[in-house]
Amino acid sequence: GAVVSQHPSWVICKSGTSVKIECRSLDFQATTMFWYRQFPKQSLMLMATSNEGSKATYEQGVEKDKFLINHASLTLSTLTVTSAHPEDSSFYICSATQGSGQPQHFGDGTRLSIL
Amino acid sequence: SQQGEEDPQALSIQEGENATMNCSYKTSINNLQWYRQNSGRGLVHLILIRSNEREKHSGRLRVTLDTSKKSSSLLITASRAADTASYFCVEAAGNKLTFGGGTRVLVKP
Repeated sequence: GAVVSQHPSWVICKSGTSVKIECRSLDFQATTMFWYRQFPKQSLMLMATSNEGSKATYEQGVEKDKFLINHASLTLSTLTVTSAHPEDSSFYICSATQGSGQPQHFGDGTRLSIL
Repeated sequence: SQQGEEDPQALSIQEGENATMNCSYKTSINNLQWYRQNSGRGLVHLILIRSNEREKHSGRLRVTLDTSKKSSSLLITASRAADTASYFCVEAAGNKLTFGGGTRVLVKP
């Protein structure tokens, strides 16, 4: 149980393109979803927290107009990297939880490469 | 938010040996969690220890927590090649997780 599916797993696109990443909880309802970014050989950095039906809360230094987050249902959150540039190339990982104090279940991540 | 520190950053052992890694954290936690990440993949939740617990076991994993020192340790006993991964100590305050720098563990067959 507690499976989180993240799609796509790998994206290569040209600079200036907008890229959408989906995060789905397959067998549970996720009241909260999280988006993280991970650079090579580094740890995960929280980008934003997304609660179903409300605006996402972004961490300091994360541009909300650059990284658009939508959490329209209890099983789906999307992250759109708008007008992506090479410096946005990274590994993006989502997670979902059923509630406060519950473990977060992670997707397998999306490797984004901007040429 | 500031990340905690993990020690060592990398660890190489032979199959069958034990692997121990430590972490120090910075905040007042509700609980502390350990996650595992295989290369280029998502994270798998291993174990959660609450702030009022001192030790917890799960299979070949043993976790300790010392809230007075703000430190935790993860012991993997009788390691296997499949245990090769990065291990992260994660501070949990409410819903928010703060990841440590991680320990990269290589178990050689």
